[in-house]
Amino acid sequence: DSGVTQTPKHLITATGQRVTLRCSPRSGDLSVYWYQQSLDQGLQFLIHYYNGEERAKGNILERFSAQQFPDLHSELNLSSLELGDSALYFCASSGYGQGAPPFYGYTFGSGTRLTVV
Amino acid sequence: GIQVEQSPPDLILQEGANSTLRCNFSDSVNNLQWFHQNPWGQLINLFYIPSGTKQNGRLSATTVATERYSLLYISSSQTTDSGVYFCGARGQNFVFGPGTRLSVLP
Repeated sequence: DSGVTQTPKHLITATGQRVTLRCSPRSGDLSVYWYQQSLDQGLQFLIHYYNGEERAKGNILERFSAQQFPDLHSELNLSSLELGDSALYFCASSGYGQGAPPFYGYTFGSGTRLTVV
Repeated sequence: GIQVEQSPPDLILQEGANSTLRCNFSDSVNNLQWFHQNPWGQLINLFYIPSGTKQNGRLSATTVATERYSLLYISSSQTTDSGVYFCGARGQNFVFGPGTRLSVLP
């Protein structure tokens, strides 16, 4: 158990629908990062939140949005889903907050496998 | 942004063999990590190694930051080592390389 919790583990939904993926970072970590891993695209950085504020955006579609809540968990919202959105979505966290573990890099959750049919 | 390359893209080994995986990065980085993605898709953090050498059992890694590369050594490979090995480096954002797919045959 890495300490980063992602739910759900699997999600099957139809095109045009909207889903929400959830991530709880390691205790004490203030930063949350989202990544998408498609079959032919590798691991792509989507977005970074730090203590509730958006810090950086990567290759995130306008149909996708994210937020980080006061308890530091994060949600990734995917809307108007297309077949090409089928992928593994990973969340990672890193620590800089008081009580956070020493910085030994980014710790990844086990991912949410999204299948759009 | 920073570019990360990995070689070789694919590697097939017989159980018990040794291997070296390479990661090149295009600019100075302040974080370099190696991950193993197992056949179930889980990303396992192997090493956080922005510089120097670390060892963990049959695995070891070396990063030469001034020359912008890192190496992952796998000794006495086992079938459970199969999967994809990614390196990632942080410039402005944390970026992954394309991975090396390792297959260890019994």
